[in-house]
Parts: sequence; C-alpha cells; structure tokens
Amino acid sequence: ETGVTQSPTHLIKTRGQQVTLRCSSQSGHNTVSWYQQALGQGPQFIFQYYREEENGRGNFPPRFSGLQFPNYSSELNVNALELDDSALYLCASSLVGINTEAFFGQGTRLTVV
Amino acid sequence: DQQVKQNSPSLSVQEGRISILNCDYTNSMFDYFLWYKKYPAEGPTFLISISSIKDKNEDGRFTVFLNKSAKHLSLHIVPSQPGDSAVYFCAADLYGGSQGNLIFGKGTKLSVKP
Repeated sequence: ETGVTQSPTHLIKTRGQQVTLRCSSQSGHNTVSWYQQALGQGPQFIFQYYREEENGRGNFPPRFSGLQFPNYSSELNVNALELDDSALYLCASSLVGINTEAFFGQGTRLTVV
Repeated sequence: DQQVKQNSPSLSVQEGRISILNCDYTNSMFDYFLWYKKYPAEGPTFLISISSIKDKNEDGRFTVFLNKSAKHLSLHIVPSQPGDSAVYFCAADLYGGSQGNLIFGKGTKLSVKP
C-alpha cells in the first residue's frame, strides 16, 4: 500500500473552466511531483514541490499551477481548461535524496468536454 | 522528441517463460533508470531500478540490464506469471535517482497467458 491518495478519482469539466486536483502524500515524504498521462502515452512531468516551493517544472504552460501545504499535501490547479487537458493526472510523493522510491497515487481521470 | 522509447506496445508470453521488455534512450546524461508496473485503475508501482554505474541489477524474478554504449536497457522476468500481466513503463532520471522528474516511455503491455 503506497499511502498516496488522490481526489477526486474522476471528474468532468467544461472547456474554459478551472479545476483543482488534490493529493495526500505518504507519511514522512516531503516532495510531491505531478504527472499528466494522456491516453496511450507515458506519464509526463508537470512540476515538483519541495518544502512548499516549486522545485522543477516540465513543459507545461503557466495555467498549470500547484501548491504544497505544510502537511505535505498538494494541489494541482488548471485554469482555462482545454480539450487536450483530458488525461489521467498522477501525483507521486517521495523523500528527497538519492535512490529514493517515488510512490504514486491512483490518479484522477479528468475529462474536458 | 521522445527521450525514452519503448518500441513494443505489447508483448504476449506463456506462463513460466521469460518476458523481455526493452527500452531505448537518447540522452546520455541520464544516470538512473527505473521500471514501473501499472495495473488498470491504479497508479504506477516501482519495480526495479539501476544506476548508470552498473550494468545489471537483480531482484527476485526481475533483472534489469543496462547497455550504456547502446543506450539500451531491458527488463527480464523469469519465470513469468499471469499476475505479471500489466503495462510496464521504463523511466529515466537526470538527478541520481531522486525520482522527482522522471522521463517515461509510452509503456509496453505485457500479457502472460496460463
């Protein structure tokens, strides 16, 4: 059991709307990363948070933003939703360091119509 | 431009035989490689990893081989079991295995038939 939980599990939004996805990290982990997995693709890195600050970002526009809270839970916010944002969004938590395993949540399936 | 490539979308193997999943990469700066396994409706689960200073790492039925000159790695599962049926992702890390920013391949769907 990974201990990383994401909510909601499924979500349907309309183009142009805003969405917030949530992640509760595994106990003791201080780093959280978010990934987008489109159908038939591997997960793509969106950004990482460490000690409540963004600590690396992939090739995603600024309308993708995030937060990490003192209890190491995290949010992913997406503004001005586009149809191509439809995907599985995965959260992964880890303890910063070398050769440390990242634990993934089950993901949130977002559909933009 | 895909830096991590899994060219076989699917693989079917008989139970008890060996499964070999392949992965190629283009960035010679990658220093840590991982394999994840994913069942439907679940997040990826870490399986095995290898540092770029090694050429082999073994964990039970799972062995990962790394050929740096060819920029190629493979995952061997021996013997394969029906419960191994899942999508397998190869991933690479630039930061010594901190696993904060992983570059994934598209995955290979393994089916192990009884």
